[in-house]
Amino acid sequence: GQNIDQPTEMTATEGAIVQINCTYQTSGFNGLFWYQQHAGEAPTFLSYNVLDGLEEKGRFSSFLSRSKGYSYLLLKELQMKDSASYLCAVMDSNYQLIWGAGTKLIIKP
Amino acid sequence: GAVVSQHPSWVICKSGTSVKIECRSLDFQATTMFWYRQFPKQSLMLMATSNEGSKATYEQGVEKDKFLINHASLTLSTLTVTSAHPEDSSFYICSAREGREEQPQHFGDGTRLSIL
Repeated sequence: GQNIDQPTEMTATEGAIVQINCTYQTSGFNGLFWYQQHAGEAPTFLSYNVLDGLEEKGRFSSFLSRSKGYSYLLLKELQMKDSASYLCAVMDSNYQLIWGAGTKLIIKP
Repeated sequence: GAVVSQHPSWVICKSGTSVKIECRSLDFQATTMFWYRQFPKQSLMLMATSNEGSKATYEQGVEKDKFLINHASLTLSTLTVTSAHPEDSSFYICSAREGREEQPQHFGDGTRLSIL
């Protein structure tokens, strides 16, 4: 079966750095997406990785290793507004998005 | 860019009522639109995928006669929950994608549906 694993919840301090990991086992791979979802709101697109390596976008970076079935989202200079759930989603060989359950990130002052 | 508008944001209605939710892509043409539902503290569950001008493809376990989807144009898709019951209460979210499959999905703000 297809599976996306990410931690259920993480806590970090304002101003610090946090890394949210995502491992996947899917039938084929056509890219990995990270989305941010604030409570009660719809997800917003953060990043897309299809090749190995690190993609940097401001305070957020996303890394992919296809051989290891592994990705992480790195958030720097954390702000209180970064408190949200972070969803990892993998596109399989049929271009279907397989969603992880999300990681709830709690930022403390 | 890539704004998706979903309306209404909240619906509270009596059991047996049919509810229509609209999803519009405001500044791009959406070749494909998706409908999800999400229960509290759970991940997104894809209900159906629709391409403009063709019938929607429903995920296993989703009743197509219960959840009617119409994708009449490249900027509008609608989901109608027919004869809604309390167990249909959920957060319904649409998303739209422009062009190829590797393009990201852009989400509407969601509709919180409460059936009394």
